[in-house]
This record gives sequence, structure tokens and C-alpha cells, in this order.
Amino acid sequence: EAGVAQSPRYKIIEKRQSVAFWCNPISGHATLYWYQQILGQGPKLLIQFQNNGVVDDSQLPKDRFSAERLKGVDSTLKIQPAKLEDSAVYLCAVEDNFSGANVLTFGAGSRLTVL
Amino acid sequence: EDKVVQSPLSLVVHEGDTVTLNCSYEVTNFRSLLWYKQEKKAPTFLFMLTSSGIEKKSGRLSSILDKKELFSILNITATQTGDSAIYLCAVWAADGLTFGKGTHLIIQP
Repeated sequence: EAGVAQSPRYKIIEKRQSVAFWCNPISGHATLYWYQQILGQGPKLLIQFQNNGVVDDSQLPKDRFSAERLKGVDSTLKIQPAKLEDSAVYLCAVEDNFSGANVLTFGAGSRLTVL
Repeated sequence: EDKVVQSPLSLVVHEGDTVTLNCSYEVTNFRSLLWYKQEKKAPTFLFMLTSSGIEKKSGRLSSILDKKELFSILNITATQTGDSAIYLCAVWAADGLTFGKGTHLIIQP
């Protein structure tokens, strides 16, 4: 958690409003992920970045979700307009190498409640 | 599509008990299996397993992988209230990193 800062930690909005989340990892991580974790489920990948470029956004609902990673460090995830089913924790993670294998280090997450 | 299934989904035990959490998987091109502990904050990394039969151990926690039967277990001995958390299993494979739903473990004093 110390290596990946996320904000805000909590956000409550009404449906059809917009929201943005920020992820600020310490520098030096080429690969960054956004995951959506709905209550009672495991994290689900939304988008993967390699430096500034998108590697995988196949599960990102592009009609309402967008994400960008400027300068290959910080990233933002935006939802516009939000739906009730978007209520979840949004986790940002970076990839670290651990004994030759890849391990994800997560931020504390941003909990979104859509009313 | 890669699949990771954890069981049980929830478990309540008393302090001092030993618990075993299960993770089975069906994936293409298995690379490694990861265990995470998630309290009310970021999932924190516990173990990474790549080879069958080699136990990884950290204090009261241990884990092992069986690549023939496609499963892993996470054991916690002499449980403490601080072990209460969601334990996530994830597998690196062809589809990237796929998570299970997690096991919600509650340790009662």
C-alpha cells in the first residue's frame, strides 16, 4: 500500500453523476492496472497500461468508463455517467518482480457508492 | 476463459483453531499462483507458488501447490483475531491475472 496512493478513499454520488479516481504510484513501475471489486467478489480487471499505452481494456465499459496514464506514472479512472451497478471498490495496482515472477502491489482502493 | 474457484466462501472459527482455505483453477498456460490477504484496505501479498509440492511458509501461514490436480491450499495454524480477513487466490495465465471470489475468514475470540 505504501507504494501506491489512491484518492479519494470514499465517494458517494447519485446515478448519472460523474466521478474520477486517481492513482499515484511511486515511479519505476511500467505496468499499472485498474481493478473493480464488487462486494463479495474478487477483483476484476478493467484496464492495463504499459507505460503510457493501453495493453488490455477489453473488460472496460467504454461507453461510460475512461482511463488514462500520463507520463507513464500517475493514472486516472473516470466514470460518466455512473450507474447503480458501478458501486464497488476501485483498486489500482502496479507490477513488481518477485523472485523472477510478477506480483501486483495494490493501493488501498477507492470505495464508490452510487445511490 | 480462465477460472479460479475458492472454497469455502466464508468460514467462522474460534481463536486457536487451524484453517485450510482452498483454491482450484482451470487456466491456459499456467505461470504462477498468488495468495493475498485483504482487510479493509489494499490486498497484501502473502505467497507466490510456481512449482508443485514445495511448501511456502511464513510464520503461522503456509501454502502449497498441486499442478497435477490444479489446486492450492493456504493453511493458517493457531489462528488469531488479526487473521480475520478476505483471502484472495489469483492465477497468472493466458488471460492475465484472474482472481477467485475470496474466502471471508472470521476468527472469533
